Amino acid sequence: EIVLTQSPATLSLSPGERATLSCRASQSVSRSLAWYQQKPGQAPRLLIYDASNRASGIPVRFSGSGSGTDFTLTISSLEPEDFAVYYCHQRSAWPLPFGGGTKVEIK
Amino acid sequence: EVQLVESGGGLVQPGGSLRLSCAASGFTFSSHWMTWVRQAPGKRLEWVANIRQDGNAKFYVDSVQGRFTISRDNARNSLDLQMNSLRVEDTAVYYCVRELEGSEGYYGDYWGQGILVTVSS
Repeated sequence: EIVLTQSPATLSLSPGERATLSCRASQSVSRSLAWYQQKPGQAPRLLIYDASNRASGIPVRFSGSGSGTDFTLTISSLEPEDFAVYYCHQRSAWPLPFGGGTKVEIK
Repeated sequence: EVQLVESGGGLVQPGGSLRLSCAASGFTFSSHWMTWVRQAPGKRLEWVANIRQDGNAKFYVDSVQGRFTISRDNARNSLDLQMNSLRVEDTAVYYCVRELEGSEGYYGDYWGQGILVTVSS
């Protein structure tokens, strides 16, 4: 079973700073990986799919990269609405686990 | 506008049953894989089950296999999750999710608002 490990668990940054989030898979998932944003009390929102494709309506400040076992979500310049929890999710092999999440909080 | 609206949640005793429904609108329901995802309080998301467009392929996470049944009615644009033999650890917010076909896999591009299922005596 594939395990996704996200780091760091918490990222404390100021608006305007660059955020770099990591997701590591225990075995290769090729490019079958997505990133989601979740705010308190809300459903997750798809940001990135196929490792690097932005979903519809997602601002260009969000970008994804990586393949195989190492993936990165980058937010080029944090806006106030970007402070949230981010999850990676692999779609390569069942049971399709999510990562444990990275909380991006205001410093 | 794509809308997914869940219903049927609530409080149930361990060993009991509950049926969740999801009413879909704003897109061609029969063209998409559909999925249920859950999130226990303070925990990570968990993919529970998904179903192919024609309803003839279904997949479940091991922890619900044999207890939960996913189904769909393309004529009514609805997705269901029948949950039997419920356990305390099934307590979670359950989300109805539409899947987008990418080049490398399928991804949840629209989510319902979620519905709470509480299993407790």
